[in-house]
Amino acid sequence: QITLRESGPTLVRPTQTLTLTCTFSGFSLTPDGGGVGWVRQTPGKALEWLAVIYREADKRYNASLRSRLTIRKATSNDQVILTLTDLDPTDTATYYCGHTGYDILAGYYNYFIHWGQGTLVTVSS
Amino acid sequence: YVLTQPPSVSVAPGQTVSIPCGGDNVGRQNVHWYQQKAGQAPTLVMYFDRTRPSGIPERFSGSNSRNTATLTINRVEAGDEADYYCQVCESGTDQWVFGGGTKLTVL
Repeated sequence: QITLRESGPTLVRPTQTLTLTCTFSGFSLTPDGGGVGWVRQTPGKALEWLAVIYREADKRYNASLRSRLTIRKATSNDQVILTLTDLDPTDTATYYCGHTGYDILAGYYNYFIHWGQGTLVTVSS
Repeated sequence: YVLTQPPSVSVAPGQTVSIPCGGDNVGRQNVHWYQQKAGQAPTLVMYFDRTRPSGIPERFSGSNSRNTATLTINRVEAGDEADYYCQVCESGTDQWVFGGGTKLTVL
């Protein structure tokens, strides 16, 4: 059974850096294990993809947020960390991590098979 | 790249509803659909246009052609009431794109 759980601060000040951890089980970040991605959902309910990591170290980022985002695998084999710098109130959202599926056509892990429960992050002074 | 969904659709129980997802040549891309019930995380209900994940009823089906992908739900039940989102990986790029979501109301 695959599970994912997001953890991190619920309130962050503007200009600060957000660090979120995705702890997962039931798969591993190996060439056959899939990947871990992050998506956020604004209070208005729009979904926005942030980043994905797969095959242990391959990474892709939302181009519009690339300068502010970093995704990496933690030293433990069951965690992925996302950092988002220079926060703004518009970054207020529920952040989800997910187990990604492989698209042969694209040669890339580009959709969520499983989602975590999400964690609400509020950016406010 | 933009995926366009109607903000809302409504249907009576037992009827059929189709939720469209429009995009330029979306028929050439793999479309995935997620269902999000109130207060819950999204879940995958259709991937690669027309493949149902384990546990999704056969009442759910998908299609994709030219400029519109469609999620169809037959014999709608009250439990199908949710927001539905389509998603693609933009052709030629590595960028995931989501539609704006459609709220399905079961009357």
